[in-house]
Amino acid sequence: GENVEQHPSTLSVQEGDSAVIKCTYSDSASNYFPWYKQELGKRPQLIIDIRSNVGEKKDQRIAVTLNKTAKHFSLHITETQPEDSAVYFCAASQWGGYQKVTFGTGTKLQVIP
Amino acid sequence: DSGVTQTPKHLITATGQRVTLRCSPRSGDLSVYWYQQSLDQGLQFLIQYYNGEERAKGNILERFSAQQFPDLHSELNLSSLELGDSALYFCASSSTWDRDTEAFFGQGTRLTVV
Repeated sequence: GENVEQHPSTLSVQEGDSAVIKCTYSDSASNYFPWYKQELGKRPQLIIDIRSNVGEKKDQRIAVTLNKTAKHFSLHITETQPEDSAVYFCAASQWGGYQKVTFGTGTKLQVIP
Repeated sequence: DSGVTQTPKHLITATGQRVTLRCSPRSGDLSVYWYQQSLDQGLQFLIQYYNGEERAKGNILERFSAQQFPDLHSELNLSSLELGDSALYFCASSSTWDRDTEAFFGQGTRLTVV
């Protein structure tokens, strides 16, 4: 089955700096890669996603890149703010007939004011 | 509010007992997923149902079972509970199985086994 590895497990950055979280996946059939943000005590919520036919996607301060050949994808947060502090999960899934989402282990991001 | 409703929000029970967690998906969503999140851990996929049928299975223990009813709500049954089963259990739903649509999570049920 699919295996998703996520690094680092914890990340501390100064406010205004950039943060990068990296994930690798094992199943070349995976074709959809969402990223979720989970604030303390709350549910995970989708913040950005990317499909396998796209190499990069950007939404304001967040961007995701995908390298299908290397089977890795990354989340980039620029100009970090204290409210970006949360746990971020990457995920990989196969859509089309047999749907299963595999999550990474999460990255706890702390933005220091 | 994601539109996914989970009940109860909190549950405290003793070892060896059995509990049932309930999930009502967003209106129109056919897929329901169950995840387990232990303290400071990631999201472990347990099981997925689509329109009443089991679609995918993760690392779900034999002591756990789930089902999706004709009205599309789902229940996760946990039996012979152990201390290690204490966790936050999330339900998520999505609308189709053949498109890359977003999965919406409920608020979770926090289970404490004492």
